[in-house]
Amino acid sequence: QVQLVESGGGLVKPGGSLRLSCAASGFTFTDFYMYWIRQAPGKGLEWISYISGSGIPTYYTASLRGRFTISRDNAKNSLYLQMSSLRVEDTAVYYCARASFKGYISSWDAFDVWGQGTLVSVSS
Amino acid sequence: DIQMTQSPSSLSASVGDRVTITCRASQGIRNDLGWYQQTPGKAPKRLIYAASSLQSGVPSRFSGSGSGTEFTLTISSLQPEDFAIYYCLQHNSYPWTFGQGTKVEIK
Repeated sequence: QVQLVESGGGLVKPGGSLRLSCAASGFTFTDFYMYWIRQAPGKGLEWISYISGSGIPTYYTASLRGRFTISRDNAKNSLYLQMSSLRVEDTAVYYCARASFKGYISSWDAFDVWGQGTLVSVSS
Repeated sequence: DIQMTQSPSSLSASVGDRVTITCRASQGIRNDLGWYQQTPGKAPKRLIYAASSLQSGVPSRFSGSGSGTEFTLTISSLQPEDFAIYYCLQHNSYPWTFGQGTKVEIK
């Protein structure tokens, strides 16, 4: 069964660091781009980063560049998000999701599977 | 960045009502749009992909239409389990962007 399971969230002080993980199962991990999406409490969804199936390229929303690093270990079917210099406004539930590019229609099959989310709270 | 504007931001409806939610893109996105449903404490779930294709396992009362800049999600007969927040997502160009959400509440 296709599944994504996030872990690693928790309470961290401003300026601190945290590493999120997303374990994938039930599908060929390398066939998919993987994404991190976050949702601040009571707010909408914000796509923040992606990584290709091979690990290159990666992309970040402009507000995060330099503070967060996305990576993957295809041997472990795992996706990661290393977060540093955390701010109060980074408090959110962080989801991982997958997407694949369908060349025959030149379009993406986007976010058909999501993890359950992991909560990151940044507070002093 | 492409802006996605959903309307309304919230609505109240009764079981059995027909409900329509609109998403407008700030520029043309072909049919590169999906609709997602989120219930409290849960991850979003995809309902519609490619603007009008029903995700496997999703009830047929959900339908999507549109292309270019204007898109619609319709629930033909609202059921109790449909009370949730609905989001559109454009995946035509990066950064992919979500609409701000439409909360469907019980009247």
